[in-house]
Amino acid sequence: QITLKESGPTLVKPTQSLTLTCTFSGFSLRASGVGVGWIRQPPGKALEWLGFIYWDDDEAYSPSLKTRLTITKDTSKNQVVLIMTNMDPVDTATYYCAHSRLTYDVFNGYNRKSRFDYWGQGTQVTVSS
Amino acid sequence: EIVMTQSPATLSVSPGERATLSCRASQSVSSNLAWYQQKPGQAPRLLIYGASTRPTGIPVRFSGSGSGTEFTLTISSLQSEDITVYYCQQYDNWPLTFGQGTRLEIK
Repeated sequence: QITLKESGPTLVKPTQSLTLTCTFSGFSLRASGVGVGWIRQPPGKALEWLGFIYWDDDEAYSPSLKTRLTITKDTSKNQVVLIMTNMDPVDTATYYCAHSRLTYDVFNGYNRKSRFDYWGQGTQVTVSS
Repeated sequence: EIVMTQSPATLSVSPGERATLSCRASQSVSSNLAWYQQKPGQAPRLLIYGASTRPTGIPVRFSGSGSGTEFTLTISSLQSEDITVYYCQQYDNWPLTFGQGTRLEIK
């Protein structure tokens, strides 16, 4: 059974950095073709993809947030960490981490652009002074 | 960036009726399209991937179709627990993008 859970501060001040941890079970980030993504959802709004980290340490980020995001992993702890710098009130949202099983074909290898198979419950982050 | 447009924004359906939700991509995404269901206060749940494949455990009343730029999620016989919000997502191009959602409501 795959589960994920996000943790971190519920309130951050403008210009501060946000660090969120995703702790997961039921899969390994050492296994080929596995990724963990981050997605956020402002109150009452749609979902926005933030970034991905993969089993082979590769990363992918939303171009609009790339300069502010870092995603790392600790496979020994089954954790993925999201760091977002220079937080602003518009970054107020519920932040989700999610598991992805990448598709594979013999010509192109793993397709790192993926859907999200299992999601954490989300963690609410408010940016306010 | 590929823009995903869902229609209608709100759909009124009676229990037992068929619900048809649409998702349009601003350019072709092949079959790299997923649908999610999100209930209030909960995380999204994957309903469909590859435009038409149901993950294990998803009821058969949920089906997906389409390719290229036009996609449909059909709920064949609406149950009360299906009254919530649905999102589509393309994973053909960077950045990954989601639609704005369709909310189902009771007619």
